[in-house]
Amino acid sequence: NAGVTQTPKFQVLKTGQSMTLQCAQDMNHEYMSWYRQDPGMGLRLIHYSVGAGITDQGEVPNGYNVSRSTTEDFPLRLLSAAPSQTSVYFCASSYSDTPIRGYTFGSGTRLTVV
Amino acid sequence: SQQGEEDPQALSIQEGENATMNCSYKTSINNLQWYRQNSGRGLVHLILIRSNEREKHSGRLRVTLDTSKKSSSLLITASRAADTASYFCATDKTGANSKLTFGKGITLSVRP
Repeated sequence: NAGVTQTPKFQVLKTGQSMTLQCAQDMNHEYMSWYRQDPGMGLRLIHYSVGAGITDQGEVPNGYNVSRSTTEDFPLRLLSAAPSQTSVYFCASSYSDTPIRGYTFGSGTRLTVV
Repeated sequence: SQQGEEDPQALSIQEGENATMNCSYKTSINNLQWYRQNSGRGLVHLILIRSNEREKHSGRLRVTLDTSKKSSSLLITASRAADTASYFCATDKTGANSKLTFGKGITLSVRP
């Protein structure tokens, strides 16, 4: 099924560990982004990409890295996990950086850092 | 800081009633979008209204946009229990590389 696939769905990390959250889309979307969702905070943009090889920071980029080597994949790396990074992470994509058709979201990764 | 602020934060209505949710924003926008999120799931795009549009319909959804007041409303008519979800407005700010900025969301409960 066409869409945005996120893995894993759940993850528990110890403080200081690193990991990569995977995001893949099969809709040939140029624009991809990562958001985190925390209670009472809505969704906040972490990083985004307007095409392969191009990434930029969003509102809350500290502690996260991204790369975009292909159109399909946009992994999010946590360099050294902290309890403040406990959150639900969503990847989203759209046809262009002018999302006239709206974003397509993945189902999310629920991350707990202990 | 949040660009979009939804109002009310929570809304509880009876099945069959209409639900009205409001969103206010601070800066000029290219468009405004509404999304729905069911519990534990990702967001689903509902409707988009451009800055030069005043009203748009999609099925039981009606969205309005007042750029002079920097506000939008989402009306769900003849609500159903399946409409129970969180609803978010998102703004595509002018000159911001079209990154969507989301509000904190409205929790809608539709009682059977």
